[in-house]
Amino acid sequence: GAVVSQHPSRVICKSGTSVKIECRSLDFQATTMFWYRQFPKQSLMLMATSNEGSKATYEQGVEKDKFLINHASLTLSTLTVTSAHPEDSSFYICSASHFRGGKETQYFGPGTRLLVL
Amino acid sequence: DQQVKQNSPSLSVQEGRISILNCDYTNSMFDYFLWYKKYPAEGPTFLISISSIKDKNEDGRFTVFLNKSAKHLSLHIVPSQPGDSAVYFCAASDSGNTGKLIFGQGTTLQVKP
Repeated sequence: GAVVSQHPSRVICKSGTSVKIECRSLDFQATTMFWYRQFPKQSLMLMATSNEGSKATYEQGVEKDKFLINHASLTLSTLTVTSAHPEDSSFYICSASHFRGGKETQYFGPGTRLLVL
Repeated sequence: DQQVKQNSPSLSVQEGRISILNCDYTNSMFDYFLWYKKYPAEGPTFLISISSIKDKNEDGRFTVFLNKSAKHLSLHIVPSQPGDSAVYFCAASDSGNTGKLIFGQGTTLQVKP
């Protein structure tokens, strides 16, 4: 149980275009999903917390107009990188919260590798 | 301000021996701690967790120890297997703060056959 999927797994796009990444919880409902970004050989950096039916909460330094998050249902959150630039190239990972043993545990998707040319 | 620190970027152990991965934290509000395993180009996989009301949690070959007074936790893997080779991240959360996880920098474990 507690499987999270992401689509696409890899995307290459031209500078200036927008890219949408989907995150789905497959066998549970997640009121809260999280979006992370990881640069090579670095830790996971939380970008935003996505709550179903409400606006996302962005971490300091993350542009909300650049990284649009929509959490339309209890099993789907999307991250759209708008007007992508080469510096947005990174590994984006989502997670979904699921109660386990009375505590919320985050289960991660497989990640999406974005390369902006 | 690094609230969760993994000071050893890498660790190499022999197959069959014990692997000990360490993690320190600074925020006394953290009350839930997790360890994740990550392979390159994949998302982290949940391994084991511990609540601040406990000092030890065991699951098969994996045991997590928590020392609240020292703000330190460790993950023990015994016996270590070559398939355990991966990057291990510790993470901490303050349950009263939306479940947000703060991750350490990760430790790359290599288990040699």
